[in-house]
Amino acid sequence: EDQVTQSPEALRLQEGESSSLNCSYTVSGLRGLFWYRQDPGKGPEFLFTLYSAGEEKEKERLKATLTKKESFLHITAPKPEDSATYLCAPRGGGSNYKLTFGKGTLLTVNP
Amino acid sequence: EAGVTQSPTHLIKTRGQQATLRCSPISGHTSVYWYQQALGLGLQFLLWYDEGEERNRGNFPPRFSGRQFPNYSSELNVNALELEDSALYLCASSLGTGRVGYTFGSGTRLTVV
Repeated sequence: EDQVTQSPEALRLQEGESSSLNCSYTVSGLRGLFWYRQDPGKGPEFLFTLYSAGEEKEKERLKATLTKKESFLHITAPKPEDSATYLCAPRGGGSNYKLTFGKGTLLTVNP
Repeated sequence: EAGVTQSPTHLIKTRGQQATLRCSPISGHTSVYWYQQALGLGLQFLLWYDEGEERNRGNFPPRFSGRQFPNYSSELNVNALELEDSALYLCASSLGTGRVGYTFGSGTRLTVV
């Protein structure tokens, strides 16, 4: 069964203090690793999809990287508006297109 | 382009009743996924519909069911509601291949009292 572990569960940063979030996964035949941002009471907002080890994608202050067993979301010089829960979700192989979500990392950026 | 639309936004039901939640996918998307997000838990996969057929379901009892209509909209039915069914129910849609990102709606907050 596909498994996903995100760490840390919660992270508090000062504005401008860079850090990384971790997503460890066990899936057979990875067919994409998805990162989402979720604000309280709202649906997840799509950020990135990574497909193969070594791939990197960037969006503003966020950069996602992928290895065979982990993905990292690097946050450079965060701002208070980056505060949210960040979710990762790998999709396994075969014709099963469902995403398996981790519990997320709650990021708080203080001004 | 309209996003994924879910209704109602909030729903309050009494234990033992039935709840019906609705989802309209992005135009052109044929797959609809339902997830449950209970307080303190991650998103748990419920159901996947594609082209009107149920393709996969998660580890939930049979009282969680649904369907997809010819226009690809979907509804989720929860029978014999229990207190622990209280959660945010999220719907997502994608193109059939699933290779691109899945777009989520804002969810329906179901409260069982």
